Amino acid sequence: GEDVEQSLFLSVREGDSSVINCTYTDSSSTYLYWYKQEPGAGLQLLTYIFSNMDMKQDQRLTVLLNKKDKHLSLRIADTQTGDSAIYFCAEKDLSNTGKLIFGQGTTLQVKP
Amino acid sequence: DTAVSQTPKYLVTQMGNDKSIKCEQNLGHDTMYWYKQDSKKFLKIMFSYNNKELIINETVPNRFSPKSPDKAHLNLHINSLELGDSAVYFCASSTSLSVTMNTEAFFGQGTRLTVV
Repeated sequence: GEDVEQSLFLSVREGDSSVINCTYTDSSSTYLYWYKQEPGAGLQLLTYIFSNMDMKQDQRLTVLLNKKDKHLSLRIADTQTGDSAIYFCAEKDLSNTGKLIFGQGTTLQVKP
Repeated sequence: DTAVSQTPKYLVTQMGNDKSIKCEQNLGHDTMYWYKQDSKKFLKIMFSYNNKELIINETVPNRFSPKSPDKAHLNLHINSLELGDSAVYFCASSTSLSVTMNTEAFFGQGTRLTVV
C-alpha cells in the first residue's frame, strides 16, 4: 500500500529558507499536496503538484518533485515566525475514493 | 463564510456516553470525509461519502456511524465512547472522488474530543 514519510522536526531562523522533505511510495500518477496546520486549527491547503511535474512555484512556496526518487519537498523562502506550524505532505490514493494518505507531519519552528 | 464547519469545536464526555459531531460544507462539493488525528498528530481517514453514499469505511469500529442526510452534511455519531476515542476529528470535502483530477480537500477546524 501507499506510504508517505516526513522528518518530524525542522528549526530555522527568521529570514532563512526552510525545506521540508517528504517521500512517497506510489509510482503511479497522482496528486501530491502540502497542508499547514497551526496550533489548535484545521488543515489549510498550501499547494499541490501533479506527479508528472517537476516544480511548482507560488509566491514564497516552491514545490520540487523528484519522480524517480519519489521525493517531494516544500521550500519556504524568507521564513517568518508566522510560518511556525506543522506541515503535512499528502498523496491522493489511487482507488477513486478521494482518500488522502498523510505523512506524519513536520513541525517547523522559526526562531526570531 | 466558513467553507467547512464542524460543531462542536470541543467535546468532553465520560466513557460509555454517546455523542455526535456535525459537519456542513457550503462549497457545493459532492464528496465528504471524516479524518481522525491522534495525539501524535497522525491523520488517518475514517470514512468517505459521495452524494450521500458511503464509499469507504477504513476499518473503523461500528460504534462510529456516519450519516449524510444530504450532500452538504456529514455527521458522525459515536456510541459507547472509550478513552481511546480521544482525538481531534476533522471533517473535509472535495469536488469529487476522481483520482485523475485535482480535487483538493478542504478541512474543517476540527473537533477535539476528550473522553474521561
